[in-house]
Amino acid sequence: DTEVTQTPKHLVMGMTNKKSLKCEQHMGHRAMYWYKQKAKKPPELMFVYSYEKLSINESVPSRFSPECPNSSLLNLHLHALQPEDSALYLCASSFSPQGRTNEKLFFGSGTQLSVL
Amino acid sequence: GDSVTQMEGPVTLSEEACLTINCTYTATGYPSLFWYVQYPGEGLQLLLKATKADDKGSNKGFEATYRKETTSFHLEKGSVQVSDSAVYFCALVVGGSNYKLTFGKGTLLTVNP
Repeated sequence: DTEVTQTPKHLVMGMTNKKSLKCEQHMGHRAMYWYKQKAKKPPELMFVYSYEKLSINESVPSRFSPECPNSSLLNLHLHALQPEDSALYLCASSFSPQGRTNEKLFFGSGTQLSVL
Repeated sequence: GDSVTQMEGPVTLSEEACLTINCTYTATGYPSLFWYVQYPGEGLQLLLKATKADDKGSNKGFEATYRKETTSFHLEKGSVQVSDSAVYFCALVVGGSNYKLTFGKGTLLTVNP
């Protein structure tokens, strides 16, 4: 199994809703990532988890709350989002959390989020 | 800081044409270089990589050579197919960065039959 699985694929939510994005991998990877990608732009790093602990938060607003319940799962809890938060949210994983520079990231297909 | 500059698109080619997408970089340390591809409606996939100067990464007919003297990592393919239509991202990572990839802006390639 060399996949990163993200659910749901599409999500529409209002500004007062609470929702969660889910990400799962069974490759034994110990680092997991959330990226945000706006249309026609490159992905922007949001969070990095290493050994289930948050190691990087790229100054993301608190309306985005990540959670890593175990080594295979990564969630992103959403609350009181703004329309400008509409984007493709990508999860990724890698074997080493220490950033071996020859290692690749495995990306999921993403959740396309629309905030109304 | 680290940055990647890649050729602005979109690029439109006919099937079997030659492709070059330019990529240059600046880095605070000794980077590893990557090309990722994003097909419509999907996440990113690693296309190829190179970890030291003069290394050539190759995959699916695509090639790129790590040129330290020109700080470049241009993507090339001799004969493109319709199925190569996608967005291509050049990226780098510097050791000790906890795997923070720095991406270029992406180049949209459309190949017509």
